[in-house]
Amino acid sequence: KQEVTQIPAALSVPEGENLVLNCSFTDSAIYNLQWFRQDPGKGLTSLLLIQSSQREQTSGRLNASLDKSSGRSTLYIAASQPGDSATYLCAVGPEKLVFGKGTKLTVNP
Amino acid sequence: KAGVTQTPRYLIKTRGQQVTLSCSPISGHRSVSWYQQTPGQGLQFLFEYFSETQRNKGNFPGRFSGRQFSNSRSEMNVSTLELGDSALYLCASSPGDRARFRKQPQHFGDGTRLSIL
Repeated sequence: KQEVTQIPAALSVPEGENLVLNCSFTDSAIYNLQWFRQDPGKGLTSLLLIQSSQREQTSGRLNASLDKSSGRSTLYIAASQPGDSATYLCAVGPEKLVFGKGTKLTVNP
Repeated sequence: KAGVTQTPRYLIKTRGQQVTLSCSPISGHRSVSWYQQTPGQGLQFLFEYFSETQRNKGNFPGRFSGRQFSNSRSEMNVSTLELGDSALYLCASSPGDRARFRKQPQHFGDGTRLSIL
């Protein structure tokens, strides 16, 4: 049974800092891994999707990497801003997404 | 392009009642998936419908059921509500064919917050 773990559960950083969020999964037989953002009381916003054949994806200040063999992914956020404050979730797919419990990020002005 | 629409946004029910939630996917998307989010268990997959057929199912009791209509809109029904069913219910849509599932993200609605008294 696939299990996804995210560390840390919460993270507080000053504005402008570069940071890394971690995601690990137990079964390397995945088709893709997705990173989502969730604001309080809202649904999920897709940030990046990495297919199993890819090593990384980039979108603006976000970069996600995938190492299938070690069962790990990281989400790198450059030059963090207060607007980045949210819970970040990773999920392995493709269809029946299995989610981690998320990292709650607070960026302090 | 309109996003995924879920109605209603909030619901309050009492134990033993039943409830129906609705999800309209992005135009052209044929797959709709449902997830339950609770503080304790996080996000858990309920089921997925594609072309009016349930294609995948999570590990939930039979009180949780769903259906999909010919226009791809989906409904989820929970019967004999229990206190533990209090949660945010999210639906996600995607184009649906398996090859594209691997390359394209699922798009989520803002959810229905269900509270059981």
